[in-house]
Amino acid sequence: GAVVSQHPSRVICKSGTSVKIECRSLDFQATTMFWYRQFPKQSLMLMATSNEGSKATYEQGVEKDKFLINHASLTLSTLTVTSAHPEDSSFYICSAVLLSSTDTQYFGPGTRLTVL
Amino acid sequence: AQKITQTQPGMFVQEKEAVTLDCTYDTSDQSYGLFWYKQPSSGEMIFLIYQGSYDEQNATEGRYSLNFQKARKSANLVISASQLGDSAMYFCAMREGNRNTGGFKTIFGAGTRLFVKA
Repeated sequence: GAVVSQHPSRVICKSGTSVKIECRSLDFQATTMFWYRQFPKQSLMLMATSNEGSKATYEQGVEKDKFLINHASLTLSTLTVTSAHPEDSSFYICSAVLLSSTDTQYFGPGTRLTVL
Repeated sequence: AQKITQTQPGMFVQEKEAVTLDCTYDTSDQSYGLFWYKQPSSGEMIFLIYQGSYDEQNATEGRYSLNFQKARKSANLVISASQLGDSAMYFCAMREGNRNTGGFKTIFGAGTRLFVKA
């Protein structure tokens, strides 16, 4: 149980275009999902907390107009990178919280974004 | 200020031996959760083990055990009988806050890369 999918796994786009990444909890409902960004050989950097039915909470320094987050249902959160630029190239990974005594986060497989 | 510290950027262990990955944390919360995740080269983050701040016994999950020393604020991961497939990046993480009070957030350490030698 506790499977999280992420789509696409890999995307290459031209500078100036927008890219949407989907994060789905497949076998559980998640009122809270998180979006992270990871640079090579570095740790995960929390970008935002996605709450079902309400606005996302962004971490300091993360542009909310640049990284649009929508948590439309209890199983789906999307991250849209708007007007992507080469510096947005990174590994984006989402997680969903399985509500339980531990409230463990389960992660998607990640999306590697390359902006040309 | 960094709240999760993993002081070992890289570790080597011989196959079938045990290895300890260090993690110290800093928090003023009374209630918190500690996690370890494994990240192989494929990039996915795999949940390994959880320790609650009020748990009196060390958590164990198969070959993984968590050496929890609350007074020292350490939560070291012990992997017994290492296997070649254990070679990966390992992240220690701490969750502060809870879903009822808000501020529900997990912070990750810098990670330790483990190399298992045949």
